[in-house]
Amino acid sequence: QVQLVQSGAEVKKPGASMRISCKASGYVFTSYHIHWVRQAPGQGLEWMGKINPHTGGTTYAQKFQGRVTVTWDTATATFYMELSSLRSEDTAVYYCARDSIAVSGSLRVEYLPYWGQGTLVSVSS
Amino acid sequence: DIQMTQSPSSLSASVGDRVTITCRASQSITSYLNWYQQKAGEAPRLLIYAASTLQTDIPSRFSGSGSGTDFSLNISGLQPEDFATYYCQQTFSSPLVTFGQGTRLDIK
Repeated sequence: QVQLVQSGAEVKKPGASMRISCKASGYVFTSYHIHWVRQAPGQGLEWMGKINPHTGGTTYAQKFQGRVTVTWDTATATFYMELSSLRSEDTAVYYCARDSIAVSGSLRVEYLPYWGQGTLVSVSS
Repeated sequence: DIQMTQSPSSLSASVGDRVTITCRASQSITSYLNWYQQKAGEAPRLLIYAASTLQTDIPSRFSGSGSGTDFSLNISGLQPEDFATYYCQQTFSSPLVTFGQGTRLDIK
């Protein structure tokens, strides 16, 4: 079965960088995109970006451009999300999620049926 | 960017009630609309994709409808386990995607 297992909680200082891992199993690693979504305490879901492990292509939300980098390691089927220049507002639970595509006529609808368990990152001095 | 607006932001209902949550897109997204349920301390769970297709293992009391800019998530015969927060998500502008702000469903 498809599983996404994320790394453990982290505490960071303002200005530092963080790197979270997301280990995938149960499917062909390069066949699906991985998205990163975060959720600040008491807030909604915020999409950060995605990676296509087949092409290496990445897309990031404008808000995070220049601060976020998503990479992957094919040998270990692990994805990484790095966020730099951390500030207190980056305190959140970070999720990875794998996509699937529903095809109907000319429509190709992307959706997220599989999620990691989440990683809490706390940024505090 | 495509903005997604959910309404209401919160609502209270009783077990057995039928509730409707709406999601409006700032431009047409045809049927590129998904719904998720999230309970406290858990990852989101996909309920419906492509506006109206029920995800595997999701109870049939959940249903989705709409196209273009206006969408609805309906839950008929609320069960205790349905009290949670619900999010819509558009993937029309993929690779860029956006979520609605969420609707919290509480027990009355």
